[in-house]
Amino acid sequence: QIQLVQSGPELKKPGESVKISCKASGYTFTDYAMHWVKQAPGKGLKWMGWINTYTGKPTYADDFKGRFVFSLEASASTANLQISNLKNEDTATYFCARRRIYYYDGTYYYGFDYWGQGVMVTVSS
Amino acid sequence: DIQMTQSPASLSASLGETVSIECLASEGISNDLAWYQQKSGKSPQLLIYAASRLQDGVPSRFSGSGSGTRYSLKISGMQPEDEADYFCQQSYKYPYTFGAGTKLELK
Repeated sequence: QIQLVQSGPELKKPGESVKISCKASGYTFTDYAMHWVKQAPGKGLKWMGWINTYTGKPTYADDFKGRFVFSLEASASTANLQISNLKNEDTATYFCARRRIYYYDGTYYYGFDYWGQGVMVTVSS
Repeated sequence: DIQMTQSPASLSASLGETVSIECLASEGISNDLAWYQQKSGKSPQLLIYAASRLQDGVPSRFSGSGSGTRYSLKISGMQPEDEADYFCQQSYKYPYTFGAGTKLELK
């Protein structure tokens, strides 16, 4: 069955870096884009950007340019999110999500049909 | 960026009651709208895509409708397992954006 399995929780100090992994199984990894979503404690969902799993090209939302890097280990069907120079406001759960393309009524539509379980990153001195 | 205004922020429903949640986009999104359910401590789950298409495995009491800038999610007959947060999300333009969420509780 299709699964996205993320790495475990992280406790970091301000200024440190963290790398989160998202291992996909049960489907052809390069057939679907991988997106990243942030959820601060008790808050809503915020789209961070995505990585083309075929070319490796990342695209970042404006709020996530600079300290955030999406990468792949395609041979291992794994997408990674690295955050450098961590700040208190980076404390959140980070989800990877597979974007599926649907064709309906002559038009393409999109949806995140599988999600990782989320990784809680806590930044505290 | 396209702003997604979701309402209400919270609501309480009795068992079997029909509930509706709305999302208003700041510009037309041509039905490229998805709805997600997120239970406490869990990952979001896709319920609806293309504004009205039910994702495989989702109970038929969930339905979506709308067009242009106004969309809604309806739950026809509240069940205990429907207690969750619900989010709308547009994929019409980058950056993708989510509504702020609706907390649905069982009365």
